[in-house]
Amino acid sequence: DAGITQSPRYKITETGRQVTLMCHQTWSHSYMFWYRQDLGHGLRLIYYSAAADITDKGEVPDGYVVSRSKTENFPLTLESATRSQTSVYFCASSDAGENTEAFFGQGTRLTVV
Amino acid sequence: GENVEQHPSTLSVQEGDSAVIKCTYSDSASNYFPWYKQELGKRPQLIIDIRSNVGEKKDQRIAVTLNKTAKHFSLHITETQPEDSAVYFCAAAGGGADGLTFGKGTHLIIQP
Repeated sequence: DAGITQSPRYKITETGRQVTLMCHQTWSHSYMFWYRQDLGHGLRLIYYSAAADITDKGEVPDGYVVSRSKTENFPLTLESATRSQTSVYFCASSDAGENTEAFFGQGTRLTVV
Repeated sequence: GENVEQHPSTLSVQEGDSAVIKCTYSDSASNYFPWYKQELGKRPQLIIDIRSNVGEKKDQRIAVTLNKTAKHFSLHITETQPEDSAVYFCAAAGGGADGLTFGKGTHLIIQP
């Protein structure tokens, strides 16, 4: 689906560095989400946004920062990366919140060394 | 918050047989229950969903059932085929917190 894209697809960074994962959607969906996927934990919600300039914490927000100045973009920043943040990160969007289909980006595999 | 339990974690079935994956949820206010399929190295994709005002929904070989009283829902795949091999996630939403709460996933293996 070209409608929601993430960049980069793969990233290796060092402990303590700041890294930003990008997410862009072309559907003008109002809701956007960031999940992390780890073996044995499934998909866990980090942050979500109901509209531009509105963001809120999910289940595992510590160590992450988000912003949403434009409807189509929802970057996720790791302010000081730790090894425990090694994971696959998925961005998703939907047009009416949690009660309609969420469309996922292709994911970013982040390794913190 | 919502808690979703999913069983089994791994399911191996013979090609052509049926597969059933079960999930339970904790928040009685949840009213939307999607199922996602994730192939290796790919993104999760919705395969079927059900809302709380419906007890069962079918789409060709796939069906989902919902028991709101018992707070559990199940995915049924009939006449399984090799392309059904994947990880399947159930999820629940609508109980007051935005975003879907996912189960931990079921790795479905179709044996030839």
